[in-house]
Amino acid sequence: SQTIHQWPATLVQPVGSPLSLECTVEGTSNPNLYWYRQAAGRGLQLLFYSVGIGQISSEVPQNLSASRPQDRQFILSSKKLLLSDSGFYLCAWALGGGELFFGEGSRLTVL
Amino acid sequence: AQSVTQLGSHVSVSEGALVLLRCNYSSSVPPYLFWYVQYPNQGLQLLLKYTTGATLVKGINGFEAEFKKSETSFHLTKPSAHMSDAAEYFCAVSREGRRALTFGSGTRLQVQP
Repeated sequence: SQTIHQWPATLVQPVGSPLSLECTVEGTSNPNLYWYRQAAGRGLQLLFYSVGIGQISSEVPQNLSASRPQDRQFILSSKKLLLSDSGFYLCAWALGGGELFFGEGSRLTVL
Repeated sequence: AQSVTQLGSHVSVSEGALVLLRCNYSSSVPPYLFWYVQYPNQGLQLLLKYTTGATLVKGINGFEAEFKKSETSFHLTKPSAHMSDAAEYFCAVSREGRRALTFGSGTRLQVQP
């Protein structure tokens, strides 16, 4: 069966520090991969999605970036965090046009 | 562009009462529609989905939803609320090209004893 792992689960970082959140999927090949952000009291905002290695689509211009170095690995990064980057980050995978399967999330607090 | 509107950011019901969470969508293509549930500090779990075929879809935990094209709605219902249903619920619609989902802003369900 397929599983998705996301880490770290919680992170507290100072403004201006770098960020790296990692997500890996097991039990499937060539999935579509996604990063969503959920700000407090708000819905889910799609940040990036990828349909293959090295293929990244960005939804919202910001100081975050994503990379997909391997088929089942998706990384969210920032060189310098802003206060507004605080939130709950969710990685997800999908096959074709079906439903998304989400990881457990990473809660980022920028101070 | 696809969009989702969830009416009511907070809904409170008594245990045993009917649960009705509203979702309206707009889509330029035949939509795939989804309901997800999120418990505190967790990821989202799929409750049910509509792609094609029967417009009344049944999901996990006794929930169901009906796709009404004429009303562009996909409301979520459960006949009898349980305390364990307290969570946040998100409606979502597939984007054109079906490569991602657009989510509503969510409805937080409270269940009173």
